[in-house]
Amino acid sequence: GDSVTQMEGPVTLSEEAFLTINCTYTATGYPSLFWYVQYPGEGLQLLLKATKADDKGSNKGFEATYRKETTSFHLEKGSVQVSDSAVYFCALSDRGGNKLTFGTGTQLKVEL
Amino acid sequence: GAVVSQHPSWVICKSGTSVKIECRSLDFQATTMFWYRQFPKQSLMLMATSNEGSKATYEQGVEKDKFLINHASLTLSTLTVTSAHPEDSSFYICSAAMGQGNYGYTFGSGTRLTVV
Repeated sequence: GDSVTQMEGPVTLSEEAFLTINCTYTATGYPSLFWYVQYPGEGLQLLLKATKADDKGSNKGFEATYRKETTSFHLEKGSVQVSDSAVYFCALSDRGGNKLTFGTGTQLKVEL
Repeated sequence: GAVVSQHPSWVICKSGTSVKIECRSLDFQATTMFWYRQFPKQSLMLMATSNEGSKATYEQGVEKDKFLINHASLTLSTLTVTSAHPEDSSFYICSAAMGQGNYGYTFGSGTRLTVV
């Protein structure tokens, strides 16, 4: 079945540091890929998505590129802020859009 | 953008009682809604998928008689935790999709259930 693997956290960075959170997936066919962010005590918010190979999703300084050859969708940001502290989930959906399969989440802590 | 309203945001109940959680799509019709459960510091576990007007499809290991899901209209889905026990304490999140083949999912803000 479909699965998503993302790096374990927590990831602790200083403000303005470069962020990479790795995500790889296993799926049949051509899934859509997503990054969601969850702030403490809240639900999930869509951060960015990509629906086909080589697409780059971007939002709020975050970006991720759909790499079919490496089955990856790594999340990057050039300069993190304290307000970026949250849990980040990588996810995929099949072409039918029936449901999302989530990774285990990576907690990001950004310190001054 | 698409908004899903989920309430209550938190609830405390006694063991043996039932709790209902509502999830409403405010500005779109949600043909499919998903209910997730999230344990502390863990990922989301899909509990069930519901389509408007039909019975929910439960994931393996989820007790359908304990977690009752109703999706009576295109804008409302409810999850009722029946005869709640402390082990049911968790964070429950709903999500709505706008239709088959649509890759947009909007999440509710979640409900923190504590059973005492």
